[in-house]
Amino acid sequence: GENVEQHPSTLSVQEGDSAVIKCTYSDSASNYFPWYKQELGKGPQLIIDIRSNVGEKKDQRIAVTLNKTAKHFSLHITETQPEDSAVYFCAASIRDTDKLIFGTGTRLQVFP
Amino acid sequence: DAMVIQNPRYQVTQFGKPVTLSCSQTLNHNVMYWYQQKSSQAPKLLFHYYDKDFNNEADTPDNFQSRRPNTSFCFLDIRSPGLGDAAMYLCATSRAGLRDTQYFGPGTRLTVL
Repeated sequence: GENVEQHPSTLSVQEGDSAVIKCTYSDSASNYFPWYKQELGKGPQLIIDIRSNVGEKKDQRIAVTLNKTAKHFSLHITETQPEDSAVYFCAASIRDTDKLIFGTGTRLQVFP
Repeated sequence: DAMVIQNPRYQVTQFGKPVTLSCSQTLNHNVMYWYQQKSSQAPKLLFHYYDKDFNNEADTPDNFQSRRPNTSFCFLDIRSPGLGDAAMYLCATSRAGLRDTQYFGPGTRLTVL
């Protein structure tokens, strides 16, 4: 079945450094890849997404890259701040459905 | 301005006592989803509605039911909650399936005593 692997499971960085989270998907028909940030006790919040016709997308300090050939996509956060600390989930669309399959999450800690 | 609203935010029930969780949306989105999320895990889809069409995941227990009386509201009914059903329940919506983004509510934390 469809699968999304996410690495690392935990990531600790110093404030101001960059953070990179990577995901690999199994279904070559996946064409939509959102990233969600989830703070403790809250629902996931969409922070950026990318579709398969685009290789890279940026929004201020956040960027996502997609390599369709290798079936992986990555989240890049530059100039990290303590408020970036949260759990981040990647997801990929499941072919011919309205559904997403989620990665297992990355707990990011940004130390002042 | 909350777009996906879940009530209550915290729900405590007793083992075997039915409970209903509520979700409403102000986005007029076609699709509504219910997810279960256990601690430190990814959200797990239970079912979703495309308008009035109900779609159940194959591994969703029969204990879980859902109702969508209109575009704005969707309910999750747990008929006989077990200890293993304690989790965060997340509602999400999207405008037209994956032609658009899924937006999540804040979740309802269910405790089963």
